[in-house]
Amino acid sequence: GENVEQHPSTLSVQEGDSAVIKCTYSDSASNYFPWYKQELGKRPQLIIDIRSNVGEKKDQRIAVTLNKTAKHFSLHITETQPEDSAVYFCAARGPGYSTLTFGKGTMLLVSP
Amino acid sequence: DTGVSQDPRHKITKRGQNVTFRCDPISEHNRLYWYRQTLGQGPEFLTYFQNEAQLEKSRLLSDRFSAERPKGSFSTLEIQRTEQGDSAMYLCAILSRATDTQYFGPGTRLTVL
Repeated sequence: GENVEQHPSTLSVQEGDSAVIKCTYSDSASNYFPWYKQELGKRPQLIIDIRSNVGEKKDQRIAVTLNKTAKHFSLHITETQPEDSAVYFCAARGPGYSTLTFGKGTMLLVSP
Repeated sequence: DTGVSQDPRHKITKRGQNVTFRCDPISEHNRLYWYRQTLGQGPEFLTYFQNEAQLEKSRLLSDRFSAERPKGSFSTLEIQRTEQGDSAMYLCAILSRATDTQYFGPGTRLTVL
C-alpha cells in the first residue's frame, strides 16, 4: 500500500519567516495530495490540495508543489503568523477515490 | 454543504465495555470514511462506505470493530470489548462530490480506562 513520509516532525520559525514542510510518497499511481491543518483538540481542516496534472498551486500565503518524478510534494507558507501554529498533515490518495494515507504530521510553531 | 457531525464528542468507558459512535453528514454524500487518530500521529484509515455498501476495511479494523451505514446516510462504528489500546480520536469524513475532497467531522475522543 501507499506510504507517506513527512518531515520535519517539528518546525519553529519567527513570525514573518517562511516555513516549508516536505512529504514523499511511495505509490506512483497516487494522483491527489491534500494538506490538512489541525489545531489542538480540533478536526483536521483542508487548507490546500494538488492533483497530479499540476506542478504547483498557490492560495494567498500558502503554496504546494508536486514533483511526480521524485514522488515528493511540499507545503510552503510565507509570511508566517502566530495563528499558523498547528500540526500540518500531508496525505496521498490513489486513483478511484480510494482512501487517504497520511504522514505523521509536522508541528509548526510560529513565535511572535 | 460539507458539514459532518459526530456523537458523542467524548466517551469514557471501562475496558471490556462496548461503545458505539455515530456520524451524521448534514447533506447527502455517497462516500463516508472512518479514521482513527492517536496522539502524535496522522489519521489512519479504518473503513469506508459507498452509499450503504462497505467497500474497504483496513487491517486495523479487528473483529471487535463493526461499522454500518444502513440507509446510506448516517453511519455507526461499534467497538466491542474495548481495550486500552482503542483509546483514540475516531474521525468520520465525507467526500464532497463537488470538490472531490474529504472533509472531517469533529471526531469522538474515546478513553478506555
